Amino acid sequence: TQLLEQSPQFLSIQEGENLTVYCNSSSVFSSLQWYRQEPGEGPVLLVTVVTGGEVKKLKRLTFQFGDARKDSSLHITAAQPGDTGLYLCAGAASGTYKYIFGTGTRLKVLA
Amino acid sequence: NAGVTQTPKFQVLKTGQSMTLQCAQDMNHNSMYWYRQDPGMGLRLIYYSASEGTTDKGEVPNGYNVSRLNKREFSLRLESAAPSQTSVYFCASSPRGSSYNEQFFGPGTRLTVL
Repeated sequence: TQLLEQSPQFLSIQEGENLTVYCNSSSVFSSLQWYRQEPGEGPVLLVTVVTGGEVKKLKRLTFQFGDARKDSSLHITAAQPGDTGLYLCAGAASGTYKYIFGTGTRLKVLA
Repeated sequence: NAGVTQTPKFQVLKTGQSMTLQCAQDMNHNSMYWYRQDPGMGLRLIYYSASEGTTDKGEVPNGYNVSRLNKREFSLRLESAAPSQTSVYFCASSPRGSSYNEQFFGPGTRLTVL
């Protein structure tokens, strides 16, 4: 069974601080996605990474896919209260339509 | 465009009752999914439909059935609800069955089974 473990589970930081969220597995994924979910809503895609070692930037957010395609990280620079939410990673093995979601990291950024 | 819509938004059932959760998308997507979200568990795939006319089991299919009524609609049925099925249910759609495609999620149905 494929599993995606995220750490930390909870994170509460002050505005302006930097943070990194990790998504780890013992399985290889053909691609990995990061989503953000606001309370009472469904997840919304932030980015998809597909190549081992790939780095993508989305404004203050930097996403990296591990060389072996088993792990990923999300780094936020100078966090803002608007970054508050639940961050989820999701991976799919090659040739499958099944997405496995991580356990989630709940981030709270205090003004 | 409404995107992905789900009905109802909230539902309370008694143990043993049945109900159907409805999902529709207006983006002409081929693939549709049903997930449940429990605290500390992330989202778990219940069933998915790679294309119209096909359905397959996900991680946690026991106690559920699905119907891909047409390209737009994908329903989830609980035949005999149990308290363990208390959860938030999300429907999602994707342009085509590929691990590279974005999934678009509905707003969710919050189900409580007493």
